Amino acid sequence: EVQLVESGGGLVQPGGSLKLSCAASGFIFSGSAMHWVRQASGKGLEWVGRIRSKTNSYATAYAESLKGRFTISRDDSKSTAYLQMNSLKTDDTAVYYCTRPRTTTPWDDAFDIWGQGTMVTVSS
Amino acid sequence: QSVLTQPPSASGTPGQRVTISCSGSSSNIGSNTLNWYQQLPGAAPKLLIYNNDQRPSGLPDRFSGSMSGTSASLAISGLQSEDEADYYCAAWDDSLKGVVFGGGTKLTVL
Repeated sequence: EVQLVESGGGLVQPGGSLKLSCAASGFIFSGSAMHWVRQASGKGLEWVGRIRSKTNSYATAYAESLKGRFTISRDDSKSTAYLQMNSLKTDDTAVYYCTRPRTTTPWDDAFDIWGQGTMVTVSS
Repeated sequence: QSVLTQPPSASGTPGQRVTISCSGSSSNIGSNTLNWYQQLPGAAPKLLIYNNDQRPSGLPDRFSGSMSGTSASLAISGLQSEDEADYYCAAWDDSLKGVVFGGGTKLTVL
């Protein structure tokens, strides 16, 4: 079964850091780009960023508003993608989803597999 | 305020046909493919339409997508109670260099 499972969410104080993980199974992880999308409670979906495959130089891209604070990485040997979040703000409170594009085409942004999401709460 | 504009709500009765619009610009819908997602309450989003008008395998043909210039539409025919959900459009934006989502449309089946 093709599956994505996020972990690492929790409560963190403003200014703190948190690293989320996304464990993949059931498909060739190394060939796929991985994206992160977040959703604040009662709000819409917001793209966080993506990392491409080794073939595409592990190229990353981020939402402009998050550049410099969030970093996406991956470990193909563990079939896992990561989202490192620094200098967290209360506005970063959201459910964070990892997701995979339908195909291995570098520019594909149609996400057909989603994790269940992990909740991040930034509060003092 | 979202880059892609959707109506906040839509509604219909069982069996009806409803459409949800998504308006963008030349840097997103006008130059890149559009995707639609359905999000049931408490669940992760689900890909509904990709590449403007393509349905993933297994998805009923009651769902269809169309495009015209910098606008797109999602049509749902034969509306069913289980279609009650939030619907989002999304596309790559060449100016922002990222994926942009619409604000979402909450569909109510009356």
